[in-house]
Amino acid sequence: AQKITQTQPGMFVQEKEAVTLDCTYDTSDPSYGLFWYKQPSSGEMIFLIYQGSYDQQNATEGRYSLNFQKARKSANLVISASQLGDSAMYFCAMREQQSGNTPLVFGKGTRLSVIA
Amino acid sequence: ETGVTQTPRHLVMGMTNKKSLKCEQHLGHNAMYWYKQSAKKPLELMFVYNFKEQTENNSVPSRFSPECPNSSHLFLHLHTLQPEDSALYLCASSQEQLNQPQHFGDGTRLSIL
Repeated sequence: AQKITQTQPGMFVQEKEAVTLDCTYDTSDPSYGLFWYKQPSSGEMIFLIYQGSYDQQNATEGRYSLNFQKARKSANLVISASQLGDSAMYFCAMREQQSGNTPLVFGKGTRLSVIA
Repeated sequence: ETGVTQTPRHLVMGMTNKKSLKCEQHLGHNAMYWYKQSAKKPLELMFVYNFKEQTENNSVPSRFSPECPNSSHLFLHLHTLQPEDSALYLCASSQEQLNQPQHFGDGTRLSIL
């Protein structure tokens, strides 16, 4: 079973508008962390934002915020005031604690295109 | 500057060649990883090293051979690769803590002729 599901292969958003990228996850571990990464066409993976399973508040980093709904096992990324430079692939990832910390497991990604 | 440096950035090789990819991190991390990213596929974890010891090998063919001489350096030795091995190979490092992100290099774009 997939641990991370990103159902939107591609998304378009108008410049200066907000956009939500979906991510649902599957784990039985009560302690886990959720991460979002951005990958421009040049290839590097850029860490954006982190949400811990025990965090009471939704994470925010500048224009990025995470809509964390634990009961639904979803961790959607919200980008406010989109810019042309936000056009990229976006990956949701999870790390489970279990008996030791495990590597990140990534979803298939969502390609975001920002339109002028 | 990412803190994780990969060389070379691009590599074209024939199926009978032997080459190595290099990854270096100066972030003081204790874990290093190799990922493969093919077109239209999710990132595939290949190998994990924790304190220089290999802790994970995700059924990777033996034509890929990792080496971790110390906690700052990671190599991926390549020999007799196949055309389907053409991909972006990403190295990452992290502290093995739940809330610590993995930091990635810029990747090596590998093409097998």
